[in-house]
Amino acid sequence: EAGVAQSPRYKIIEKRQSVAFWCNPISGHATLYWYQQILGQGPKLLIQFQNNGVVDDSQLPKDRFSAERLKGVDSTLKIQPAKLEDSAVYLCASSLGTPLHFGNGTRLTVT
Amino acid sequence: GESVGLHLPTLSVQEGDNSIINCAYSNSASDYFIWYKQESGKGPQFIIDIRSNMDKRQGQRVTVLLNKTVKHLSLQIAATQPGDSAVYFCAEARSNSGYALNFGKGTSLLVTP
Repeated sequence: EAGVAQSPRYKIIEKRQSVAFWCNPISGHATLYWYQQILGQGPKLLIQFQNNGVVDDSQLPKDRFSAERLKGVDSTLKIQPAKLEDSAVYLCASSLGTPLHFGNGTRLTVT
Repeated sequence: GESVGLHLPTLSVQEGDNSIINCAYSNSASDYFIWYKQESGKGPQFIIDIRSNMDKRQGQRVTVLLNKTVKHLSLQIAATQPGDSAVYFCAEARSNSGYALNFGKGTSLLVTP
């Protein structure tokens, strides 16, 4: 089966600019997650969707981060405006229960 | 707050030896545990998982052990190969939270010839 697809693979922006990441989960996976992985650390959950509804966004910095999964399939994660500390790899994962399957992420550098 | 941690940040083993990577968790409500392997530039790759009603689970060359009494999880890799060199993460979750994983910081495994 095809894995979780993410784009772009890399993005470099200046602080205060905006950026968007896209994720296409594994076909049929109802649950989709966005994680942030800062260099040298484990992934940290940002938001979890079940179909097109938000299950948990308690760790999403809502003043600058937003995410949507309008049709219950693809998802986008947006940051506006970006800060230097947002430099990280943004990972998307999907699942039909367990385990979670991860994409290769988008590496964001904020300068 | 609740956390998942690893005992050792780096582990160096010789090719052919067995590797053991340890992990501690603090949330007694966790009922699902999982190990991932992450290579440079890639996303975490599923290795093996275990539920809290089990103490041990085996896969191909890998075994996960769960000790709920001391809240400890370990990953054993038999006959470690150079291709096993990567960062290994343990993670825990609760089935009633939609299996949202809480990751530890990771252990870097280096396999030397």
